[in-house]
Amino acid sequence: DADVTQTPRNRITKTGKRIMLECSQTKGHDRMYWYRQDPGLGLRLIYYSFDVKDINKGEISDGYSVSRQAQAKFSLSLESAIPNQTALYFCATSDPAAPSGGHSYNEQFFGPGTRLTVL
Amino acid sequence: GESVGLHLPTLSVQEGDNSIINCAYSNSASDYFIWYKQESGKGPQFIIDIRSNMDKRQGQRVTVLLNKTVKHLSLQIAATQPGDSAVYFCAENKAIGNKLVFGAGTILRVKS
Repeated sequence: DADVTQTPRNRITKTGKRIMLECSQTKGHDRMYWYRQDPGLGLRLIYYSFDVKDINKGEISDGYSVSRQAQAKFSLSLESAIPNQTALYFCATSDPAAPSGGHSYNEQFFGPGTRLTVL
Repeated sequence: GESVGLHLPTLSVQEGDNSIINCAYSNSASDYFIWYKQESGKGPQFIIDIRSNMDKRQGQRVTVLLNKTVKHLSLQIAATQPGDSAVYFCAENKAIGNKLVFGAGTILRVKS
């Protein structure tokens, strides 16, 4: 969905480096999420935000931090990357208060993903 | 992409046949159950949801069935098409918080 964009799309980095993944959305949604996806597993929630400056830990927040300085942007940082953080990372948005166009209250809109490799 | 599907159960169906994808859930307190589709190289896409007080809901070419007695959810796709080939995830959601908990996924392969 072009309304949710992620940068970079691919990144290779080394152990110990600080990495930031960016997510931007033009949907005007208040809620934003960061997930990681590993082979053979579903998506696991890292952090989520219901509004600007609102930050909540998800299932697997250790080793990650996030920033929500604006409604449209939600960034994910790996303070000191390690190889087991190699994964696909997805950003998502939702607005359960105001669905439109046939969308469900439960629908989250995902970005295209960022493939991160930590060597 | 293909790395997402490593070790996932796979369902292979002939084009035109009906597909049934199953999911077992664990949290009886979930308010909604949702199905997502993930095509290769893309993020998941919402298909359909069902509230916990319902046992069946139909969409366009898809039907979701919920059996709370045995904590089982299924997605039925009628007249499966090649474009239906993807990884399908079930997810649970508590209405308060809108946090999704995803299952591991099932690969659907449609043979022409």
